[in-house]
Amino acid sequence: DSGVTQTPKHLITATGQRVTLRCSPRSGDLSVYWYQQSLDQGLQFLIQYYNGEERAKGNILERFSAQQFPDLHSELNLSSLELGDSALYFCASSADDNSGRQETQYFGPGTRLLVL
Amino acid sequence: AQSVAQPEDQVNVAEGNPLTVKCTYSVSGNPYLFWYVQYPNRGLQFLLKYITGDNLVKGSYGFEAEFNKSQTSFHLKKPSALVSDSALYFCAVRDVGSGTYKYIFGTGTRLKVLA
Repeated sequence: DSGVTQTPKHLITATGQRVTLRCSPRSGDLSVYWYQQSLDQGLQFLIQYYNGEERAKGNILERFSAQQFPDLHSELNLSSLELGDSALYFCASSADDNSGRQETQYFGPGTRLLVL
Repeated sequence: AQSVAQPEDQVNVAEGNPLTVKCTYSVSGNPYLFWYVQYPNRGLQFLLKYITGDNLVKGSYGFEAEFNKSQTSFHLKKPSALVSDSALYFCAVRDVGSGTYKYIFGTGTRLKVLA
């Protein structure tokens, strides 16, 4: 158990809908990362938040957004869903500090999203 | 453009033999390099990282990797493979030089250790 929790574990929805994925980082970790893993695109880094602020942005679509709250949990919002958004979405956290020191990432179990 | 290549989709090795999983990268500036392992129906687990310093990095479960700047490679190695090492392995680079701090992952290499 990595200490990172993600809810829900599974999500089935229809095209055009909007969903919210939730992540709780390990206790004390200030950084949260979101990733998408799909069969055709492999593992893609979406976005990183550090202590509530966006720190790095990857291949995140404009239909997707994320935020990190004062209690450090994070939510990934996916809107206008398409069939191709079906994937496994991982959250990870790390104890990065503001000096840029790169700490180990600990991954959650993922949320499997199926868009029908 | 920044990229990571794992040239082998699958690597088969006999238990007890040494294993190598290859990774090459292309980024601007000095890279941060990582290896992760993914077991079936599980999230990724960190194995090791290279940020700076000694080119030979030792990680979890007996794995190690060697950073080779001239060949832009970061191959994962283990002296003696175990059947339980069978999993999907990802190499990743963090593009620090461009200032984006993006993570870029390879396509993954499936390691199969045969008893």
